[in-house]
Amino acid sequence: DVKVTQSSRYLVKRTGEKVFLECVQDMDHENMFWYRQDPGLGLRLIYFSYDVKMKEKGDIPEGYSVSREKKERFSLILESASTNQTSMYLCASSRDSYEQYFGPGTRLTVT
Amino acid sequence: AQSVTQLDSQVPVFEEAPVELRCNYSSSVSVYLFWYVQYPNQGLQLLLKYLSGSTLVKGINGFEAEFNKSQTSFHLRKPSVHISDTAEYFCAVNVGGNTPLVFGKGTRLSVIA
Repeated sequence: DVKVTQSSRYLVKRTGEKVFLECVQDMDHENMFWYRQDPGLGLRLIYFSYDVKMKEKGDIPEGYSVSREKKERFSLILESASTNQTSMYLCASSRDSYEQYFGPGTRLTVT
Repeated sequence: AQSVTQLDSQVPVFEEAPVELRCNYSSSVSVYLFWYVQYPNQGLQLLLKYLSGSTLVKGINGFEAEFNKSQTSFHLRKPSVHISDTAEYFCAVNVGGNTPLVFGKGTRLSVIA
């Protein structure tokens, strides 16, 4: 079974802190994605990556950056966390452009 | 660019009743279609997918969906729901190549005993 893991299920950070959300997949997938999920807005794509050291902006990249130094790991970085970044963050991976496999999510609260 | 519209944000239904969750998409090219389910405090899990072939697709947990190209729809159905089906359901579309899935805003299904 494909497994996508995220470093934390729940995280509480203060405004202005630098925040790292880590995602690891164990199926050698080329593609990895970061979404945020908010009530009534569904899933919105932040960044995605089709290869190591490669990244593409999604629909809402402002305030975020990403890093992919190894194929299995895709990190989302909040350079200076703000309260409007309080959300559920979901990581996904896929072998091709079709079916995506999701991690359990990280619920981030910024106070 | 493609987009997905889930016509109902919330659907309450009694246990053992049938349910249909509606999904419409827009795209100028051929699409691949997906339904995902999210149980409380969990990630998304694939229910079923349409890539090609038969327009009636069967998935896990007794769900099925029908691809209707002329109506650009991919509605999800289950003939008899259980309490355990209470969850949020997301429809998604992809046109292939190096493009991510585009998701609808979700439909919250509440099954009432």
